Amino acid sequence: DQQVKQNSPSLSVQEGRISILNCDYTNSMFDYFLWYKKYPAEGPTFLISISSIKDKNEDGRFTVFLNKSAKHLSLHIVPSQPGDSAVYFCAASASGAGSYQLTFGKGTKLSVIP
Amino acid sequence: SQTIHQWPATLVQPVGSPLSLECTVEGTSNPNLYWYRQAAGRGLQLLFYSVGIGQISSEVPQNLSASRPQDRQFILSSKKLLLSDSGFYLCAWDGTGGYEQYFGPGTRLTVT
Repeated sequence: DQQVKQNSPSLSVQEGRISILNCDYTNSMFDYFLWYKKYPAEGPTFLISISSIKDKNEDGRFTVFLNKSAKHLSLHIVPSQPGDSAVYFCAASASGAGSYQLTFGKGTKLSVIP
Repeated sequence: SQTIHQWPATLVQPVGSPLSLECTVEGTSNPNLYWYRQAAGRGLQLLFYSVGIGQISSEVPQNLSASRPQDRQFILSSKKLLLSDSGFYLCAWDGTGGYEQYFGPGTRLTVT
């Protein structure tokens, strides 16, 4: 059972336009959500996160929106740049004693076309 | 600042051979440590996590095992590799109280 779903395996966007990456989740216990960016043959790097008490978090060109009623979050990148081309993973956490395990989606490959 | 190391970067092993992947973290104390695997075309699957020395929790029953002999060292092992063990293995850490996990560079394992 996939608790975090990224239904678009790939996305192509023109440079300078907005990239919107989507993520859905099924576990109501998730209370923290993160986005990671991954280049080939490298480990994922943390990008931005949002707590379930918020509906928006912004960091420079990156904004994450959370819709708890729909169990949906999205990552907006504005403006998109060629260096943003990577695989983006959505992750969610349900805090528990001792550690904070992350459940990842399968990723969306973003290609920003110059 | 904190850094995380993994080695080797790539590994080609025959079926039935043993495996030992090592991960070390610098610049932090008592981190939570994690082993993930990314198989071809799939997301990140949590294999093991550890909240302290000698404390290992397994998420997926399989022929892999993990150990944490020191505070900042995490080892992934197997006695006999299977073809299905091929993948990209990632070690990660987080500080107690934090949600963000920070990943190492990964090890590409190919079992032939």
